Amino acid sequence: NAGVTQTPKFQVLKTGQSMTLQCAQDMNHEYMSWYRQDPGMGLRLIHYSVGAGITDQGEVPNGYNVSRSTTEDFPLRLLSAAPSQTSVYFCASSYSPIRNYEQYFGPGTRLTVT
Amino acid sequence: AQSVTQLGSHVSVSEGALVLLRCNYSSSVPPYLFWYVQYPNQGLQLLLKYTSAATLVKGINGFEAEFKKSETSFHLTKPSAHMSDAAEYFCAVSPSRMDSNYQLIWGAGTKLIIKP
Repeated sequence: NAGVTQTPKFQVLKTGQSMTLQCAQDMNHEYMSWYRQDPGMGLRLIHYSVGAGITDQGEVPNGYNVSRSTTEDFPLRLLSAAPSQTSVYFCASSYSPIRNYEQYFGPGTRLTVT
Repeated sequence: AQSVTQLGSHVSVSEGALVLLRCNYSSSVPPYLFWYVQYPNQGLQLLLKYTSAATLVKGINGFEAEFKKSETSFHLTKPSAHMSDAAEYFCAVSPSRMDSNYQLIWGAGTKLIIKP
């Protein structure tokens, strides 16, 4: 199993540009999520999905869109990049979001917006 | 609302010394608790988790954590630090009810620095 994969690893955008961060998992997990990690702030949930066709907002959803057309894929779209979106983005998946199920993380995408 | 507090954004210990990383949570019901580790330039991986079967939980790489309900704590320890333990460690609480909006509650993280 490849686990959770993310592309690209690094990206530089200019303010106002749009892009999609890709995330895929091959563990047949129903739950997938996107986090951003900023120094001293831990992980903040952007959007999550509890299954194909079902998505919802997390703590910091503004400026981001998601969709979940298949169980495997959960792309994150930046609509109009802003410098405040400079961050490291992690995708994660889990059998279930509740109780004691482990979350599996991708290697991250380091995004810089200039 | 549930919350997680990790005391100390940076902890520095000498190689071979005891590692103690502190985590306190607030929860009105017994939570599910986790420690994750993030090595430099990598994603997070599970170190250990509390599943209510035992209060002392053993994880990978010699780490363990003890759940203390009376103190609402889940501190992470390792008897003897290795250079390879240098990483950032995150404590997290899992929602225990379906109406929790599925949000895992994360601590801010503690960077563990190992001095030679």
